[in-house]
This record gives sequence, C-alpha cells and structure tokens, in this order.
Amino acid sequence: ETGVTQTPRHLVMGMTNKKSLKCEQHLGHNAMYWYKQSAKKPLELMFVYSLEERVENNSVPSRFSPECPNSSHLFLHLHTLQPEDSALYLCASSQDQGFSYNEQFFGPGTRLTVL
Amino acid sequence: GENVEQHPSTLSVQEGDSAVIKCTYSDSASNYFPWYKQELGKRPQLIIDIRSNVGEKKDQRIAVTLNKTAKHFSLHITETQPEDSAVYFCAAHNQAGTALIFGKGTTLSVSS
Repeated sequence: ETGVTQTPRHLVMGMTNKKSLKCEQHLGHNAMYWYKQSAKKPLELMFVYSLEERVENNSVPSRFSPECPNSSHLFLHLHTLQPEDSALYLCASSQDQGFSYNEQFFGPGTRLTVL
Repeated sequence: GENVEQHPSTLSVQEGDSAVIKCTYSDSASNYFPWYKQELGKRPQLIIDIRSNVGEKKDQRIAVTLNKTAKHFSLHITETQPEDSAVYFCAAHNQAGTALIFGKGTTLSVSS
C-alpha cells in the first residue's frame, strides 16, 4: 500500500444530496491533490494544496468544495452534483509541489455515481 | 494553456515485442516528466521519470527518452509480458510549476 487512503470507496448520491469524500496520507507529505478520472478525461487535475493552502483550482465548478484542515487530511465536499460528475475521484500526495521532481502517491479512489 | 498530448490511445502487442508510447508537451519550462502505470481497478503508480538535464533513462525493461528541443518524450518497454498490460500515463509540469498535467493515457494490451 502507498500510505494514501480514501473513504468511502463507493458512493451513490442523488443530485440534491450533500456528501463528502475523505483522503488521508500517512507519508508526511506537504502537498495533496484531487483528480477526477473518467472515460473522457482520464486524469483531470481538480485542486492542489500545499501546506494546507490551495495553490491550484483547475476551473472546477463550485459544487465541488475542497478542504484541507491539516497536511495529512483532504476533503472534497459535494453538493447538487450532476450525473456527468459520476467518475472515480482520486486523491494523491507528494513531498512537496511544484518544480521539485516529486513522485505523486495515489489513493485507491472513490467511485462516485450521481443519480 | 498547458497541454500534454499522448499517443497512441491503444496499443496491442505480442508477448516479447517492444512497445513505444509517445508524448508531446507545450510548456518549454517543464523540466520533469514522469510515467505512471495504472492496472485495471488499481491506482496509478510511478514507474519511471526523467528530468530535463538528461536525454535518456533506463530501468531494466523500461526506458524513457527526452527531446527538449522538439518537446517530446517517449516510453519504451522491451520484451513485453502480459503483466505489462495496463493504462500508461505521461505527465509534465504545468507552466506555474504547481502541478502535473497528464496525457490521456495509452491502453497497452500484451497477448501471450
């Protein structure tokens, strides 16, 4: 295992629901990432956090709201999602971010289905 | 904006053959180019990476080459085995240096 865990592993929600995805890394890393993986865009970067500060928001709709309370935890809060948001959501972490040649370690992902 | 193009999208080879996957990137400031392998139902994992100060790197059956002038880099797998079957992603840093931009992936199938 890579030391990055995600819960839940599977989630089914209606368009009016509010849910949260959780990611935890046990590697002592300073940067954490959210990716969306779907058939159309296999690894689409959503958000980047470095030392608990958001450094990248890749034009993600406001119905996705990230939260990074500390360097080990990352959340993705979901509300009023659309069926096209159904995808695998992957969390990743790295020692640092930016031009520092850091390997990203991925979690197992949360398979989200929006009905 | 920054872009990483990857091809082919699918590649089928016979066991023992070589496989080559190519990527081009748009930002000339990119200086780090990793390759990730994602087996079916599993998470992506780094298999090899190259920095801009070298032109080639090899690790057993896997090699990566980089041409900074042409802004393209390639993954070479020799003596392919069925367990090499997976989706392979290339990546390069974005212009701001804040994150990696991934290619769309290549599905490699190795038949025995």
